[in-house]
Amino acid sequence: DADVTQTPRNRITKTGKRIMLECSQTKGHDRMYWYRQDPGLGLQLIYYSFDVKDINKGEISDGYSVSRQAQAKFSLSLESAIPNQTALYFCATSEPGTGGGANTGELFFGEGSRLTVL
Amino acid sequence: QQQVKQSPQSLIVQKGGISIINCAYENTAFDYFPWYQQFPGKGPALLIAIRPDVSEKKEGRFTISFNKSAKQFSLHIMDSQPGDSATYFCAARNGGATNKLIFGTGTLLAVQP
Repeated sequence: DADVTQTPRNRITKTGKRIMLECSQTKGHDRMYWYRQDPGLGLQLIYYSFDVKDINKGEISDGYSVSRQAQAKFSLSLESAIPNQTALYFCATSEPGTGGGANTGELFFGEGSRLTVL
Repeated sequence: QQQVKQSPQSLIVQKGGISIINCAYENTAFDYFPWYQQFPGKGPALLIAIRPDVSEKKEGRFTISFNKSAKQFSLHIMDSQPGDSATYFCAARNGGATNKLIFGTGTLLAVQP
């Protein structure tokens, strides 16, 4: 089984619908992230959470919300989907990375959720 | 100042050739520079990384060259193979409390047999 599991893997929806993308992890990491990938734009951070009680906005949080239900679960919601939210979404986890230490804070990604908003 | 600029956007290399991908940054607070590799249908995975106190790091056929004064770093893939065909992302980490990664825009590498 994958260490970071995303569901659904593919979803087609219509403008205005509410969509939830779910992420669960078995790596035991406290830190979880949601990224959006668009061609030519790379990976952009939407939200991140450093523990269950800590939620932070990333670079492109407008139109999205998140919920950290448990250490292992982090979901991303689009309250009212619009076509320009069509993208590939990735969940990731990490340990804390420290500047001079051996722990690099490596990100472990899920396999992605492809969302199409018509 | 938070951006990481990556080039080229796409690259075609013949089998056995050298693939070179370049990245540049502005923020001198960045303290860690990883490269992630992404195959179609998969999430990115860490390939190799370097800290700014060294100028080069090599792991097998993959080498990062780091120029601190120019604020540039590059990935070299020696003896490129068709199995190296993937999208490559450079990234930089701000060494502050958040330790977030800033990603480049990605390079789609195709290695032709």
